[in-house]
Parts: sequence; structure tokens; C-alpha cells
Amino acid sequence: SQQGEEDPQALSIQEGENATMNCSYKTSINNLQWYRQNSGRGLVHLILIRSNEREKHSGRLRVTLDTSKKSSSLLITASRAADTASYFCATSGYSTLTFGKGTMLLVSP
Amino acid sequence: DAGVIQSPRHEVTEMGQEVTLRCKLISGHNSLFWYRQTMMRGLELLIYFNNNVPIDDSGMPEDRFSAKMPNASFSTLKIQPSEPRDSAVYFCASRPGDPRVSGANVLTFGAGSRLTVL
Repeated sequence: SQQGEEDPQALSIQEGENATMNCSYKTSINNLQWYRQNSGRGLVHLILIRSNEREKHSGRLRVTLDTSKKSSSLLITASRAADTASYFCATSGYSTLTFGKGTMLLVSP
Repeated sequence: DAGVIQSPRHEVTEMGQEVTLRCKLISGHNSLFWYRQTMMRGLELLIYFNNNVPIDDSGMPEDRFSAKMPNASFSTLKIQPSEPRDSAVYFCASRPGDPRVSGANVLTFGAGSRLTVL
């Protein structure tokens, strides 16, 4: 299975701190994506990194990808209370996305 | 664009009843995905369509589940008869174009339908 597994399952930090979430997967991928899910809502796409890329930035988000270790990390810098959500990595072949079970992030004011 | 629209948002029903969940795609998107989310199993892909044609239904749990896409903008997921273990949040998501051409596979999700089967 291509399913990603996020680590940690839950993370609690203070506003202003950085949050790092990791994702490991099993098979080769075309790209890897991160999504956010607020409570009671659908998933929202955050960032995509292709298999030939090693690092990508978008605002306060930084994603790295190590295909030799089959792992990725998502760093949220200077976190805010509004970043409280679940974060999922999704691995992609060409047609479908397979999601991990997510990391629940709680950012306290 | 209003995004991917799902209905109902919440459904409570009794075991044995038929349940129909509905999804309206974003205009111009031609692929549709149905996912199910539970605490135990996370997000599971049930089925996906490309240009109204079911491509992969290997995730559909059993014959009680069926999905249709009668036109390019609308899909239904039906459970008949429903069972308590079907309780979950069901999401549909859509995608524009062919990722083999665009190189990307980004999904836009609806808000989900929370199903409770008593």
C-alpha cells in the first residue's frame, strides 16, 4: 500500500512555536501532498511536492521530501491558534490519493 | 464557484434503511472520488470516476454500497441496507483534468456527510 503514516498522532504547542509533522510511506510515488482538516470540515489542500523535488515553501509552510527514506516532513513556522487542525499527508500515483490517519495539531494561545 | 457540494450534511437512520448521499462537482472538474472517514480506519477511498465512468471501485466495502454518476456534475452514493458499522463521514472530492497531463493530482473536497446508523 502507498498509505502514508503521520507522526506524531497528536501535537500540542504554544502560539509562536514551530510545529513539525512527519510522514512515512511504503512505495514509490509521483508526488506527495499535505492537506489540513478543521473540525467538522472537509480536507483542504496545502502543498504538493513532486518526487524529484527535495524542499518546497509556501508562506509559513515548509515541506521536505526524502525519497530514499520514503519520508516527508511538514513544518509550520510561527504557529497560530488558527492552525489548530488535523494534518494529513497523501501519496499519489497517477490517479488516486492515499491518505494517512493524520496528525492532530493543537495550538494554544 | 461554490465548491464541491454534498448533501445531506447529517443523516441519522435506522439499521436496514436505504441511505443516499449526494455530491455536486465543481464545474469543469471531470474526476470524482468518494472517501469514507472513521477514527479507526482513517480516510478510505471507496470509488472514483473519470468522465462519468467508474475507474476503480475496489474500495467499495460490499454489495450494499453502490455509486453512480448520471451526468458530468452529479454523483450519488447509496447504501442499502444500511448497518451500524457504516456510520462514518463520507466525503466526495473532485479534480480537474488528467494528472498524467497536468502532473498534479490535487483534490477539492466537499464538507462531508456525517452518517449515523442506529
